[in-house]
Amino acid sequence: KAGVTQTPRYLIKTRGQQVTLSCSPISGHRSVSWYQQTPGQGLQFLFEYFSETQRNKGNFPGRFSGRQFSNSRSEMNVSTLELGDSALYLCASSLSGGSYEQYFGPGTRLTVT
Amino acid sequence: TQLLEQSPQFLSIQEGENLTVYCNSSSVFSSLQWYRQEPGEGPVLLVTVVTGGEVKKLKRLTFQFGDARKDSSLHITAAQPGDTGLYLCAGPHSYSGAGSYQLTFGKGTKLSVIP
Repeated sequence: KAGVTQTPRYLIKTRGQQVTLSCSPISGHRSVSWYQQTPGQGLQFLFEYFSETQRNKGNFPGRFSGRQFSNSRSEMNVSTLELGDSALYLCASSLSGGSYEQYFGPGTRLTVT
Repeated sequence: TQLLEQSPQFLSIQEGENLTVYCNSSSVFSSLQWYRQEPGEGPVLLVTVVTGGEVKKLKRLTFQFGDARKDSSLHITAAQPGDTGLYLCAGPHSYSGAGSYQLTFGKGTKLSVIP
């Protein structure tokens, strides 16, 4: 089976812009979770989608949003980018849900200047 | 507040040495997972421990879940350069309080094994 893919792998944006990141889960996986990873805070949970519904949301501002399509592919959007949004954004898919074994993609490295 | 505290944060050892890294919490977890993340990649699951006192072995890696299910350890015997990476522990946490769980991660132990 193909693994989790994320596009783009690298992105440079300017403060105030918005960005959309894409994730294609492993075939058959209906749960997609998004995480933000920074050196200071580590891996922090953003949100989980299951069958096109947001099931869980972490403690992030409303500028962070996401959605899932009927084919389980997911996108996350960050509006009004801030310097502190620079991070590695990881997508993970799971057969059973967000608290079970997660299969991670390679991540999208976002740099905000 | 970090639910899962990992120690040490950084560890640099010579090839062939043994090491132990720890994952501790004041909360009880129904299970804990260990992941390894290499530079430029996403984390990869190594093991899940679910029973208090459980010990699982994966080649030279030994994982233990504490009796009270509040802590876990990872012991590596005869470390090799290929063991280099960020070791993360993770456990189920309810963010919404509505009974739906998601993984919460520790900040990790960054291991460097020098040839």
